[in-house]
Amino acid sequence: GDSVTQMEGPVTLSEEAFLTINCTYTATGYPSLFWYVQYPGEGLQLLLKATKADDKGSNKGFEATYRKETTSFHLEKGSVQVSDSAVYFCALRLFGNEKLTFGTGTRLTIIP
Amino acid sequence: EAGVAQSPRYKIIEKRQSVAFWCNPISGHATLYWYQQILGQGPKLLIQFQNNGVVDDSQLPKDRFSAERLKGVDSTLKIQPAKLEDSAVYLCASSLDPRLAVQTQYFGPGTRLLVL
Repeated sequence: GDSVTQMEGPVTLSEEAFLTINCTYTATGYPSLFWYVQYPGEGLQLLLKATKADDKGSNKGFEATYRKETTSFHLEKGSVQVSDSAVYFCALRLFGNEKLTFGTGTRLTIIP
Repeated sequence: EAGVAQSPRYKIIEKRQSVAFWCNPISGHATLYWYQQILGQGPKLLIQFQNNGVVDDSQLPKDRFSAERLKGVDSTLKIQPAKLEDSAVYLCASSLDPRLAVQTQYFGPGTRLLVL
């Protein structure tokens, strides 16, 4: 079945470090790919998305590129801040189906 | 614009008791989703409504879980009787009519359930 595998956490980085959170997927169709973020005490928020191969999603300094050849959608940020501390979820959605399939989440902690 | 509202935020019950969660989606959103998020896992879809009709309930444990969206707006998710393994965060999400275009799902803060 369709699934998402993401880098296990927790991940701890110093402020201004470079961030990569790996995400790979398995899907029978042509999925759209998403990164959601969950800040402490809050609900899931869409961070960025990409709907077809080679698309790059970006928001708040975060980027991810839809790589069909490697079935990946890795999340990157050049310089993290303490306020980026949260849990990050990679997810996919198949064309014609609204159901989101999530990875297990990666907890990110940024220390000053 | 108000977001997705859920209540209660926290609930503690004993096994075999019943519990109900409430969700009010963003105004005008036709589609409503309930997800279950067990600690250490990603959210898993339980049920999807399009207006007041069920689109997908394939992963809803129907022997103990039920959900309704009678007027196509608010929704209630019920568990009866609860088991220990139902301890999780229950997330409600909503989106505009997906039949029109690919839509973003907006999530509420969730209800954290602990079954003792």
